[in-house]
Amino acid sequence: EPEVTQTPSHQVTQMGQEVILRCVPISNHLYFYWYRQILGQKVEFLVSFYNNEISEKSEIFDDQFSVERPDGSNFTLKIRSTKLEDSAMYFCASSPGQGPYEQYFGPGTRLTVT
Amino acid sequence: AQSVTQLDSQVPVFEEAPVELRCNYSSSVSVYLFWYVQYPNQGLQLLLKYLSGSTLVKGINGFEAEFNKSQTSFHLRKPSVHISDTAEYFCAVKDNAGNMLTFGGGTRLMVKP
Repeated sequence: EPEVTQTPSHQVTQMGQEVILRCVPISNHLYFYWYRQILGQKVEFLVSFYNNEISEKSEIFDDQFSVERPDGSNFTLKIRSTKLEDSAMYFCASSPGQGPYEQYFGPGTRLTVT
Repeated sequence: AQSVTQLDSQVPVFEEAPVELRCNYSSSVSVYLFWYVQYPNQGLQLLLKYLSGSTLVKGINGFEAEFNKSQTSFHLRKPSVHISDTAEYFCAVKDNAGNMLTFGGGTRLMVKP
């Protein structure tokens, strides 16, 4: 069964450094998403991406964040200058369409900013 | 904007007992409703979804949920739980125009022998 994959599973970085989280969505899906879950808190939407552009984003997704689909398979989340409060589990998801479609989640990348 | 409330942060239950995990939502537009499960150190897996039609939906692993529009609820139930059902359960809602899933705070189901 096709699945969303994410690398790395755990990333440790120092405050102020840039990180790139990588995801490979399911191959025939058209919509891609990033969510995050700070320890002990809700899963929060960050951004959705379709047709090589952002289709929706939350207030959390400020200028510090960017997303890209650099090739036909990868989908990345870049955090330009990490802060302590960026420490969280970051989930990538994909879906075949918008509206009444399930979003398929990857296993997550745990980002620890020290 | 939507919001989701899961009233119980933890639900301890004995093996083979029934369980109900509660979820209430608020939205000004029509929504789609989902329950996801997260096993330790894993991602989110869809249990079931309500899109339209019958208000009782059946999912994987013997779970079911009932959509109640008047009470804006989507409670998850299982008649007899197993140890392997121990996990975190998330209720989520999406409006019919957008793609953003709004999650509740999660309920940790702890099944005891």
